[in-house]
Amino acid sequence: DAKTTQPNSMESNEEEPVHLPCNHSTISGTDYIHWYRQLPSQGPEYVIHGLTSNVNNRMASLAIAEDRKSSTLILHRATLRDAAVYYCILVNSGGGADGLTFGKGTHLIIQP
Amino acid sequence: DGGITQSPKYLFRKEGQNVTLSCEQNLNHDAMYWYRQDPGQGLRLIYYSQIVNDFQKGDIAEGYSVSREKKESFPLTVTSAQKNPTAFYLCASSIDLGGTDTQYFGPGTRLTVL
Repeated sequence: DAKTTQPNSMESNEEEPVHLPCNHSTISGTDYIHWYRQLPSQGPEYVIHGLTSNVNNRMASLAIAEDRKSSTLILHRATLRDAAVYYCILVNSGGGADGLTFGKGTHLIIQP
Repeated sequence: DGGITQSPKYLFRKEGQNVTLSCEQNLNHDAMYWYRQDPGQGLRLIYYSQIVNDFQKGDIAEGYSVSREKKESFPLTVTSAQKNPTAFYLCASSIDLGGTDTQYFGPGTRLTVL
């Protein structure tokens, strides 16, 4: 099964950029990299996803290594509302439930 | 507004009782999922369904059952066979199970067994 590895927690200051790493050394060529975040006592929400190229949306940017064995979620200017647990998961384009388990994620702490 | 609803938000049950958690979506999504989350842990997949009248076991299906009689509904029953049912239960849906399909989550149901 494809798996991801993330740091347990990270801390950053408000209005500074945040880089959240994710390692996925066993990724297959048909696995998409998805990021979700979860606020306390809420369901996760989608942040961004990509396959090979870097991706940008209104919430964040996703930088994918050339060998695709790692990726980085970038929050360009963190706010207190970005404090959450961030999950990196792999979803296969062929469907099926492989990769639909979210690990412990990274607990992002934002200091004012 | 389109979205996923779960009810109730909090649920208490006595040990040995079965309980059913509701999940409804009006997003016209084919795929639906049930996850369990324990304190300080990630989400673990219980069951998923790709289409009406079909569902598959996830990583921790023992002690749980589901049905998918309608596209918009995917109820989860926590049976008395589930040895440690106290947890936060999350339902999600997506257009399909494909790699580009994002999951939309409900607000969750917190189940406590007394």
